[in-house]
Amino acid sequence: GAVVSQHPSWVICKSGTSVKIECRSLDFQATTMFWYRQFPKQSLMLMATSNEGSKATYEQGVEKDKFLINHASLTLSTLTVTSAHPEDSSFYICSARGASWGPKNIQYFGAGTRLSVL
Amino acid sequence: KQEVTQIPAALSVPEGENLVLNCSFTDSAIYNLQWFRQDPGKGLTSLLLIQSSQREQTSGRLNASLDKSSGRSTLYIAASQPGDSATYLCAVHYNQGGKLIFGQGTELSVKP
Repeated sequence: GAVVSQHPSWVICKSGTSVKIECRSLDFQATTMFWYRQFPKQSLMLMATSNEGSKATYEQGVEKDKFLINHASLTLSTLTVTSAHPEDSSFYICSARGASWGPKNIQYFGAGTRLSVL
Repeated sequence: KQEVTQIPAALSVPEGENLVLNCSFTDSAIYNLQWFRQDPGKGLTSLLLIQSSQREQTSGRLNASLDKSSGRSTLYIAASQPGDSATYLCAVHYNQGGKLIFGQGTELSVKP
């Protein structure tokens, strides 16, 4: 299956700093990428959907100025957590989907990034 | 509101048992449904994908069924092994920008 690489896998930062997480589709063009957040023992919650070359669509309750998403190319999307605070500590997972629409066009997931804000 | 619910939240079984994980969804107008496996601290591994027109999919010891009319899917694991221990997530794909809606997951522990 298709490969999605997410980097870094784990990051520790000080409160007030910004952290950037990268999501790359290695062997296909990802016209749409999704960013999820997962708290311990809980399911994945969609944060935002980004289409290449356009602004991301954020889910209700997600601060777009806090979680900056850039999808400037068909193989790369980035999530920047600005002015991170301890409550932003979580597991962030990206997924990517190719161009063709339909029931067989599925999302491929990255391995996730664990963010710890001290 | 489109919701996905998984029962039970946690399950512990002895090795060798056959088991069933349940997933229910509130809106039957789905595109497809996926079952994922997630190991602690890791990303998602796709196990099975069932299209809306299908009733079941099989892969090795895994069998997933889909009943759209009742809004349910089950994941059947035959002859469970300790290596099957993980959290299993059900996700439904609706036509709303293509986003997946996830259930809360079932944490499975298979004891040797």
